[in-house]
Amino acid sequence: ELKVEQNPLFLSMQEGKNYTIYCNYSTTSDRLYWYRQDPGKSLESLFVLLSNGAVKQEGRLMASLDTKARLSTLHITAAVHDLSATYFCAGATGNTPLVFGKGTRLSVIA
Amino acid sequence: SAVISQKPSRDICQRGTSLTIQCQVDSQVTMMFWYRQQPGQSLTLIATANQGSEATYESGFVIDKFPISRPNLTFSTLTVSNMSPEDSSIYLCSVGGVEGGAIEQYFGPGTRLTVT
Repeated sequence: ELKVEQNPLFLSMQEGKNYTIYCNYSTTSDRLYWYRQDPGKSLESLFVLLSNGAVKQEGRLMASLDTKARLSTLHITAAVHDLSATYFCAGATGNTPLVFGKGTRLSVIA
Repeated sequence: SAVISQKPSRDICQRGTSLTIQCQVDSQVTMMFWYRQQPGQSLTLIATANQGSEATYESGFVIDKFPISRPNLTFSTLTVSNMSPEDSSIYLCSVGGVEGGAIEQYFGPGTRLTVT
């Protein structure tokens, strides 16, 4: 059974700083997802990572996948207030539904 | 990407009553799921809605409490039956599809349910 663990669960960071959110998963996962959720809103898809060494970037966010280590990271570069949200990673195998981590609540402060 | 709508967007219900949530997708999709997100928590899968057959429920969720219909490839309903305050959550419909070679999974806007 796939289990997904994220850390940290809470992150307060200053504007302009860099930080990384980690996502470990327990068994083989074909694909790894990152989502963003703003308070009171639904989930917005950020990245889908399919293969070992995959790296995707969008603006100040960069996601990577290491299937051998069963680890995905979401790196935040030069944080800005607009990035404040909860970030979820989720894994899946085959046609099975996504299994979510607990989420990382990010707060970017001036 | 798929556009998903849910009705109602929110509701306040009394204990013991039932609420049916509708999920409409703008294109035909094979995979459709229902999730629950309790306040401040992550998402938990309730069931996979199968077109033309019974839904597949996850451990801890039963058909009597959460009956699901999926009459076609664009529509599904989730009913929360005999509600109690513990059912207060956001309920999210989600669909999966292949886009750009990857299996994307999209989420509807959610239904915020409060049970008093």
